[in-house]
Amino acid sequence: AQSVAQPEDQVNVAEGNPLTVKCTYSVSGNPYLFWYVQYPNRGLQFLLKYITGDNLVKGSYGFEAEFNKSQTSFHLKKPSALVSDSALYFCAVRDVDSSYKLIFGSGTRLLVRP
Amino acid sequence: ETGVTQSPTHLIKTRGQQVTLRCSSQSGHNTVSWYQQALGQGPQFIFQYYREEENGRGNFPPRFSGLQFPNYSSELNVNALELDDSALYLCASSLVGSGSFYEQYFGPGTRLTVT
Repeated sequence: AQSVAQPEDQVNVAEGNPLTVKCTYSVSGNPYLFWYVQYPNRGLQFLLKYITGDNLVKGSYGFEAEFNKSQTSFHLKKPSALVSDSALYFCAVRDVDSSYKLIFGSGTRLLVRP
Repeated sequence: ETGVTQSPTHLIKTRGQQVTLRCSSQSGHNTVSWYQQALGQGPQFIFQYYREEENGRGNFPPRFSGLQFPNYSSELNVNALELDDSALYLCASSLVGSGSFYEQYFGPGTRLTVT
């Protein structure tokens, strides 16, 4: 069965420092991977996706993610964190048995301190 | 903002009652998916509708049902509400066709509380 793991419940980083939010996946076949962000009392906002091609994917708000097939990881990164980046981040993978169903991780709360 | 809207924003119901949640998809999108997000968890797939027919279902009982209308708006109905149904219900729309997969765009959600 397909699954996604986000091993950190919370990540703390100082403003201006680089940030990484970790995600590992387990799928059969080639993965379609996504990152979403959720602000308080809001729905999910799409950040970026990996379908195929370059392992480094650039997305919205300066975020990027690195696909690593050998480590089955898709970590979210940003070179310089902002206080406004503080939110809940979800990694998701497309279910290969159901092309349009997303399987989400449990989420990682990012806290950027001034 | 994604252009996906949901109503109502918040809802309080009593155990055993029935509820209908509504979603309006982003213009041009032909597919809608519903997810349940319990507190502190990631969204869980309920079902998806494509061209007014159910196109996939997650591990949810039949008392969760849905509709998609010709204008691509959608409803999620839950009968015989249970306390564990308390959650944020998210609607997501996407454009599906020609073998392509497009990212899903989520609405702001409906917070359902069952007492």
